[in-house]
Amino acid sequence: AQSVSQHNHHVILSEAASLELGCNYSYGGTVNLFWYVQYPGQHLQLLLKYFSGDPLVKGIKGFEAEFIKSKFSFNLRKPSVQWSDTAEYFCAVIPLNTGGFKTIFGAGTRLFVKA
Amino acid sequence: DVKVTQSSRYLVKRTGEKVFLECVQDMDHENMFWYRQDPGLGLRLIYFSYDVKMKEKGDIPEGYSVSREKKERFSLILESASTNQTSMYLCASSSLGLAGATDTQYFGPGTRLTVL
Repeated sequence: AQSVSQHNHHVILSEAASLELGCNYSYGGTVNLFWYVQYPGQHLQLLLKYFSGDPLVKGIKGFEAEFIKSKFSFNLRKPSVQWSDTAEYFCAVIPLNTGGFKTIFGAGTRLFVKA
Repeated sequence: DVKVTQSSRYLVKRTGEKVFLECVQDMDHENMFWYRQDPGLGLRLIYFSYDVKMKEKGDIPEGYSVSREKKERFSLILESASTNQTSMYLCASSSLGLAGATDTQYFGPGTRLTVL
């Protein structure tokens, strides 16, 4: 079955620390890739997305992600986190050869940033 | 700004009741989705719709049905609620992106349903 794996369920960092959240998917064909974020009490919203082109994608609030096709990975990074980055982060994959409608989400990673 | 609204933030129902969850989007999006969100499981797709009156099963459709009579409205129906359907329900909408695939999804605030 197609799946999306997020390696860490909970991450605790101090402000100014660097962040990397792992995401791997099992599907071998062409995919669209997303990271979504859910801040406490807010809607789930888009952080960044990759469809094609430069595999290093920049998103909002200083986040970036790198698509490595050979590793089936789309890891999220931020050089220096802030307290306001405390949130739950979801990696999501859309396999294109199944119609491109269905999104498969990872289980999520809860990030807590200590002030 | 895209807006996706859901009819209730919190809902408490009894086992066996029929439950309706309503979702409305204001951006003329073709695609609409219903997910349930459970801790440690992420979001799981229940049903989606790519056009009016069109619907497709997602990964966990059992115990649910949907209705899309108008483009902006997508309803989730629990025919006979059970305790294992206690969850957070999220509605989303999206336009079509490259190659007709789902583009960015815009989510509603969620409905936390408790079935007693």
